[in-house]
Amino acid sequence: EAGVVQSPRYKIIEKKQPVAFWCNPISGHNTLYWYLQNLGQGPELLIRYENEEAVDDSQLPKDRFSAERLKGVDSTLKIQPAELGDSAVYLCASSLGGVRDTQYFGPGTRLTVL
Amino acid sequence: AQSVTQLGSHVSVSEGALVLLRCNYSSSVPPYLFWYVQYPNQGLQLLLKYTSAATLVKGINGFEAEFKKSETSFHLTKPSAHMSDAAEYFCAVCNSGGYQKVTFGIGTKLQVIP
Repeated sequence: EAGVVQSPRYKIIEKKQPVAFWCNPISGHNTLYWYLQNLGQGPELLIRYENEEAVDDSQLPKDRFSAERLKGVDSTLKIQPAELGDSAVYLCASSLGGVRDTQYFGPGTRLTVL
Repeated sequence: AQSVTQLGSHVSVSEGALVLLRCNYSSSVPPYLFWYVQYPNQGLQLLLKYTSAATLVKGINGFEAEFKKSETSFHLTKPSAHMSDAAEYFCAVCNSGGYQKVTFGIGTKLQVIP
């Protein structure tokens, strides 16, 4: 069974440019998460989807970040415009049920903003 | 609000020695507790989780953790460290009722010395 797939693995952009990250969760997993992981820190939730509904986006900086999961399967996270402080690893995870279930993580996208 | 404290951002042990990684939690309701491991350039994967059944939880790769309500702790242990255990370990908490959200600790990087 394929795991959580993320692309790209690495991205280097200039500040003020847009960037998008893609995630394909494990087949059949209803819940999808986007996390931000800064160096030396644990994952911090940006947004959680139950199927196609964003049920927790309280920590998503909505002035520059957006996300979608149109058909309740794969998802895209976008930053526009990127700032220097956005340099981090962006993790996607999925779980079969809700947050109490085991989360399965992708390898992440390492973003560097110059 | 729930929180997790991991004491010691870096822990070094000799190969064959006991591994002890500390985690204390704060939660207003009975929690679910998780330990995840992250190997370099990989996503997090579940080691074990506590879901209010047995207080001693056994996980993969010989790890186990004991839930101690009186100490609000969920420390991770392994009797004998292997070189392959070198990784970063994250403790996480999720409340069992009401609004549910997973909160991760900052992680503990385990170094195994030959």
